Amino acid sequence: QVQLQQWGAGLLKASETLSLTCAVYGGSFSGYYWSWIRQPPGKGLEWIGEINHSGSTNYIPSLKSRVTISVDTSQNQFSLRLTSVTASDTAVYYCARGYYWHFDVWGRGTLVTVSS
Amino acid sequence: QSVLTQPPSVSEAPGQRVTISCTGSSSNIGTGYDVHWYQQLPGTAPKLLISANTNRPSGVPDRFSGSRSGTSASLTITGLQAEDEADYYCQSYDSRLRGVVFGGGTKLTVL
Repeated sequence: QVQLQQWGAGLLKASETLSLTCAVYGGSFSGYYWSWIRQPPGKGLEWIGEINHSGSTNYIPSLKSRVTISVDTSQNQFSLRLTSVTASDTAVYYCARGYYWHFDVWGRGTLVTVSS
Repeated sequence: QSVLTQPPSVSEAPGQRVTISCTGSSSNIGTGYDVHWYQQLPGTAPKLLISANTNRPSGVPDRFSGSRSGTSASLTITGLQAEDEADYYCQSYDSRLRGVVFGGGTKLTVL
């Protein structure tokens, strides 16, 4: 059974860089796209972007200038970097496995709070 | 404002049936992109409920069903149970944005 375990800093100051990593256990890493999705407190879900095992990426246009998603196939891990964060980036960040444009396995989520 | 439009809330009594709508446009659902549905219980990660418009993953009760028509989709839950009280999200792909889009979510209250 595939499991995603994610970690990263939960408290940032404005202008700092958000960094999260997600490790994939118990399943194939190739053949899927691996996504980051966020959810501001009390609000809905927002897809941030994705990467496959070859390093091919897609990002939401509104965040493209600040986002980098990278992959480490030797560790079956993928990571999110979001630069110049502001309070509006405060959210629970989820990693998820994408398969034919839907997400069938999710991490537990990491609350990232940006303080001013 | 979300690309896919859902009612903010719906409510119904136990044992009854409820339908949650998801309205898109010609750049997403109307183009033929599949719609997927997720259930999010309080304080937990979303869980895939329906994939590719109508498919239930293993373990999802057959009380949950999905459909798609034109630029809209819907999730129907029959025989409502207290444990169904959650937030429900639809999701598709948008060719104009070139990425995944979600509905704003619908909070289901079981009265």
